[in-house]
Amino acid sequence: EAGVTQFPSHSVIEKGQTVTLRCDPISGHDNLYWYRRVMGKEIKFLLHFVKESKQDESGMPNNRFLAERTGGTYSTLKVQPAELEDSGVYFCASSQDLESRGYTFGSGTRLTVV
Amino acid sequence: QKEVEQNSGPLSVPEGAIASLNCTYSDRGSQSFFWYRQYSGKSPELIMFIYSNGDKEDGRFTAQLNKASQYVSLLIRDSQPSDSATYLCAVMGGGFKTIFGAGTRLFVKA
Repeated sequence: EAGVTQFPSHSVIEKGQTVTLRCDPISGHDNLYWYRRVMGKEIKFLLHFVKESKQDESGMPNNRFLAERTGGTYSTLKVQPAELEDSGVYFCASSQDLESRGYTFGSGTRLTVV
Repeated sequence: QKEVEQNSGPLSVPEGAIASLNCTYSDRGSQSFFWYRQYSGKSPELIMFIYSNGDKEDGRFTAQLNKASQYVSLLIRDSQPSDSATYLCAVMGGGFKTIFGAGTRLFVKA
């Protein structure tokens, strides 16, 4: 079984540019989550999809962040325009059930905004 | 007050000893509790989950939950150098959102 796949693994962009991160969850996992870890801080929740619907987007920092999950398969997280404080590691995770037995995480995308 | 609190460590134990990792949480309505292990530069990996008060054992790992005290712990018996990592406590509330602690760094000395 393929795991959760994220790409790119690294991205370095200039302030003001746009970046799109992609996550492919484990096949059959309806629940997809985006998290972010900023240097020295804990992993913070961004949002949760159930299939193609946003179940909870309370963690999205501001309207520069847009997440989509067309067709309930892969998801994208776009940051536009990027700011310096957006730098960090963006993790995607998926799970089969809402009453989770835990998540399977992707390897993350390390975003550096310069 | 943070929603999930952990001692950042580092916690250093000799090889073969028991490592004890602790976590407290603030939401009394929390239902599910998890321990993840994260090696440097890698993604978190689930090692244990627990829902009910008491102990749950899986190999060298034991998770302990006390909902009245809002306390979760992880014991690692016969610690090995390969157990050296950051251990993340995570708590899922009624909204199915999982909140992570900042993690405790564990060093197991050979």
